[in-house]
Amino acid sequence: KNQVEQSPQSLIILEGKNCTLQCNYTVSPFSNLRWYKQDTGRGPVSLTIMTFSENTKSNGRYTATLDADTKQSSLHITASQLSDSASYICVVSSNNAGNMLTFGGGTRLMVKP
Amino acid sequence: GAVVSQHPSWVICKSGTSVKIECRSLDFQATTMFWYRQFPKQSLMLMATSNEGSKATYEQGVEKDKFLINHASLTLSTLTVTSAHPEDSSFYICSARDWGGMRPYEQYFGPGTRLTVT
Repeated sequence: KNQVEQSPQSLIILEGKNCTLQCNYTVSPFSNLRWYKQDTGRGPVSLTIMTFSENTKSNGRYTATLDADTKQSSLHITASQLSDSASYICVVSSNNAGNMLTFGGGTRLMVKP
Repeated sequence: GAVVSQHPSWVICKSGTSVKIECRSLDFQATTMFWYRQFPKQSLMLMATSNEGSKATYEQGVEKDKFLINHASLTLSTLTVTSAHPEDSSFYICSARDWGGMRPYEQYFGPGTRLTVT
């Protein structure tokens, strides 16, 4: 069964600090892994998308890593801002006929001043 | 590019009534659209997949007669919640796939519709 597990479930950090969110998956066959940011009451917005051959990808203060061997990914947020408070969802796409997505449960990040 | 809109953004309806939610791809043709629901503090759960011009494929446990999906054009899909009950209150999100675009396997999400059934 395809699964995506994220940790921690929730996280509180102070503004300006860095943090790292984790994602482990058991999705096969693997196509790509995405990180989304979802603000409360809004739809998910794509941060990064990585294929099998990509180890790291950055989008501003967001840096995602992917280890396809261990089936792990991380999202590192640098110099956090209050606006980073949101849920971060790891989503893995399967390389099957429908390219279906398997969603992680998300990490709820709160950045405090 | 690749913008998906939803309307309305929020709706309150009485129990027993029906509510229609629209999902539009604004600048691309979406041959496939997806409908998700999301409960508080939970992740998105896929309800159904709809391809333009054909019947939607529903996930296990989703009642097709209750959640009517129509995908009559390449830019519009609608979700109608029939005979709504308070337990249908949720955040409904659509996404669209641009098969003809630069990233054909990417799903672009709409902003969501908050449904409250009283």
